[in-house]
Amino acid sequence: DTGVSQDPRHKITKRGQNVTFRCDPISEHNRLYWYRQTLGQGPEFLTYFQNEAQLEKSRLLSDRFSAERPKGSFSTLEIQRTEQGDSAMYLCASSPPGTAYEKLFFGSGTQLSVL
Amino acid sequence: AQSVAQPEDQVNVAEGNPLTVKCTYSVSGNPYLFWYVQYPNRGLQFLLKYITGDNLVKGSYGFEAEFNKSQTSFHLKKPSALVSDSALYFCAVRDTKAGGSYIPTFGRGTSLIVHP
Repeated sequence: DTGVSQDPRHKITKRGQNVTFRCDPISEHNRLYWYRQTLGQGPEFLTYFQNEAQLEKSRLLSDRFSAERPKGSFSTLEIQRTEQGDSAMYLCASSPPGTAYEKLFFGSGTQLSVL
Repeated sequence: AQSVAQPEDQVNVAEGNPLTVKCTYSVSGNPYLFWYVQYPNRGLQFLLKYITGDNLVKGSYGFEAEFNKSQTSFHLKKPSALVSDSALYFCAVRDTKAGGSYIPTFGRGTSLIVHP
């Protein structure tokens, strides 16, 4: 079990630039989640994939955000025209196939700072 | 809609004393409930879950949680706190109502500080 891997760990960008984050879930996990966490808050749901299908998106996910999971393995989260309010920790999690009460396995996150 | 409340931003306890971190929830159907812990610069780690059955659930690192349906609560407990337990603790809930999603909703977290 190599765990959920996220890359990069830290990203500093200027306002208006585009950024892309990558998440590699645990290999046999078919479910993948993106959350955003700001200081003093719990993780807020962004989007969810089952295999390659994006099944749910939060209203937090504005049209500047897009996520993909093209082959049902790794996933990318892109933010276009970044704003200072996008500064946060972006967490990826995965869970195995099966019941809905499976625990989530989280990566260490990507810390985004928009200057 | 499902929601979670963690009424305490911070809990302070002396090492060796019992600890409680509070969580209340709101769902339409029956809940699936979870506790996760987050250490600095790390992702969340699963501690324990309640699905059905015994109201007292035991988890990792000596933690346990008690499900109380009438009070819609799922408080995290440990009989004897360790300094190494100091971390952020998150409660999460998922509704089991038909047609619901697989997406857990998290509380805002409680910072547990255990003093030597």
